[in-house]
Amino acid sequence: EDQVTQSPEALRLQEGESSSLNCSYTVSGLRGLFWYRQDPGKGPEFLFTLYSAGEEKEKERLKATLTKKESFLHITAPKPEDSATYLCAVIDSWGKLQFGAGTQVVVTP
Amino acid sequence: EAEVAQSPRYKITEKSQAVAFWCDPISGHATLYWYRQILGQGPELLVQFQDESVVDDSQLPKDRFSAERLKGVDSTLKIQPAELGDSAMYLCASSPRRGDSNEQFFGPGTRLTVL
Repeated sequence: EDQVTQSPEALRLQEGESSSLNCSYTVSGLRGLFWYRQDPGKGPEFLFTLYSAGEEKEKERLKATLTKKESFLHITAPKPEDSATYLCAVIDSWGKLQFGAGTQVVVTP
Repeated sequence: EAEVAQSPRYKITEKSQAVAFWCDPISGHATLYWYRQILGQGPELLVQFQDESVVDDSQLPKDRFSAERLKGVDSTLKIQPAELGDSAMYLCASSPRRGDSNEQFFGPGTRLTVL
């Protein structure tokens, strides 16, 4: 059964305190892994797509990496405006986007 | 910058009433998706359209939910009758490509509360 598991469920950081979020997945033949950011009461905002192990993508203070079993979203020197829920999703065996439950990140000044 | 539009943003209704949500995808996007997101969980796919045709509605509770995209552009999702368990965020997304779920761009969602 295809599964996407994100950890931790919640993360509280001081401004400037770098950290990483984890997304582990079990899916046959990965066809794409996506990271989204979601602010309270809003729809998810697309961040990155990763297709193969070893691939990396960067955007401002965010860097996403991919291995054969998991992906990491690294937040370097976060700012309060990076506070959000970060969602990971994979294209499952049926070609559908399957989401994890997300990691809620709070960055305090 | 082009965006997915949804309305209404918020809807409060009583159980057994009918509700409808509207979505206008990014211009030129062939594929349209409706998702349901319960608080604290990730979005779950309800229905996928490619142009005006339903590609996947396996998770749509068809006894009470219906969806259409008559001209292959905007779409409507209806619930009749609404139940307490339908309270959730309903998200619409669109993708420029056909076939497998690729990069999807989400609208702001409709927050439904059923009393």
